[in-house]
Amino acid sequence: DAKTTQPNSMESNEEEPVHLPCNHSTISGTDYIHWYRQLPSQGPEYVIHGLTSNVNNRMASLAIAEDRKSSTLILHRATLRDAAVYYCILRDVMRDSSYKLIFGSGTRLLVRP
Amino acid sequence: DAGVIQSPRHEVTEMGQEVTLRCKPISGHDYLFWYRQTMMRGLELLIYFNNNVPIDDSGMPEDRFSAKMPNASFSTLKIQPSEPRDSAVYFCASSLRSEKLFFGSGTQLSVL
Repeated sequence: DAKTTQPNSMESNEEEPVHLPCNHSTISGTDYIHWYRQLPSQGPEYVIHGLTSNVNNRMASLAIAEDRKSSTLILHRATLRDAAVYYCILRDVMRDSSYKLIFGSGTRLLVRP
Repeated sequence: DAGVIQSPRHEVTEMGQEVTLRCKPISGHDYLFWYRQTMMRGLELLIYFNNNVPIDDSGMPEDRFSAKMPNASFSTLKIQPSEPRDSAVYFCASSLRSEKLFFGSGTQLSVL
C-alpha cells in the first residue's frame, strides 16, 4: 500500500486559511488522493479527492504537486467547526478494480477563536 | 437518505460473550467496509465487500471475527468469543463504485 506522511498536528486562527500538507512520494500513476476528516465523536467524512489537477468544492480545495508526490488541502476560512483530524489517503485500486482506503494517523487541526 | 445506519450505538459485554454489530448501507451502494478505531492503532480496515461478496478480509484480526453480507442492505460483524482487547469503535462505511465513502456513526464496544 502506498503511504502518506502528514504532520501530527497543526493550529490555525478562526477565519484564516489553513494549508494541510501531505507527502506521498511512492504514489503510483493510478492512485487517487483522497482527503477525509473526522470530527470529535463522529465517523470520518469525505472532504475532497483528485488525481492530477487541482480540485475545488464547497468544503475545500486540493492542490496537487506537478510530480504528484505531495498535495495540500486548503480550507479557505477556518471555523471552529473545522477542528478535526484530517486524513490524506491514497486510494489503492486492486487487480479486480475493487479498491480500499487505508487510513494513516492524520493531522489534528486545532482552530483558535 | 438516512445515511449508513449502525446498531447498536453502544455495546457493553463481558469477556467470552458473542457480540454482533449491524450495518445498513446507503441504498444503491455496492461497496461496504468495516473499520475499527482505537487510540493505539487508529482506523484499521477489517474487511470489505463488493456486491455482497467479501473481497479482502486480510484486516480481520483473527478467527474470532467474522463478517457477512447476506443482501445489499445488511451486513453484520460478529466477534465470538469477545475479549477486552476488542474494545474499540467499529465503523461501517458504504460507497458507490469507487466514489467517496459514507461512514456510519459507529458502535462503541466495551468488553469487560
